[in-house]
Amino acid sequence: QKEVEQNSGPLSVPEGAIASLNCTYSDRVSQSFFWYRQYSGKSPELIMSIYSNGDKEDGRFTAQLNKASQYVSLLIRDSQPSDSATYLCAVNSPRGGSTLGRLYFGRGTQLTVWP
Amino acid sequence: SAVISQKPSRDICQRGTSLTIQCQVDSQVTMMFWYRQQPGQSLTLIATANQGSEATYESGFVIDKFPISRPNLTFSTLTVSNMSPEDSSIYLCSVAGTAASEAQFFGPGTRLTVL
Repeated sequence: QKEVEQNSGPLSVPEGAIASLNCTYSDRVSQSFFWYRQYSGKSPELIMSIYSNGDKEDGRFTAQLNKASQYVSLLIRDSQPSDSATYLCAVNSPRGGSTLGRLYFGRGTQLTVWP
Repeated sequence: SAVISQKPSRDICQRGTSLTIQCQVDSQVTMMFWYRQQPGQSLTLIATANQGSEATYESGFVIDKFPISRPNLTFSTLTVSNMSPEDSSIYLCSVAGTAASEAQFFGPGTRLTVL
């Protein structure tokens, strides 16, 4: 069973702070990693993807990947109340002989940014 | 990214009946998936909808309960058959391109309540 683990939270940070969300995964051959944001009552929205070790920055978001440690994280700088949502970590792992993998999702971390 | 619509957006159904959910994409996509998200939970993959062939179901999901059609590269349906209150959930379709590393994008979801 391929697993994706996240801090269940809830995580609460003040406006302007850095929010740090963490995720570990069990399948060493995983190649692609994604962070989705899900507002209450809405469907998941892709906010970051990362494929190689290191950092990837997009605006206030930075994704970090360490394949040796099987660890991926998401940093949100200058957090805003509008960032309050559940953040889902997803890992793409190939299966069988197919190169078309499937996504395995963590349970999500609920983030609250208070003014 | 593709624009994805689902119908219906929500429904309340009686036990023992069936509901068909439609997923329409505004461009051709290779991969379409169906997920279930129960209250407070993460996403569970039901099946991969394959164009021109039978869907690929995940462990715990069977075709008799969740028949899926995919007549072309822009449309798929999921039927929830012989419903029970345990089927109350949000059902989401998602789409992806051809590469194993490509992210999935989600439709708005269908909120199903079974009485």
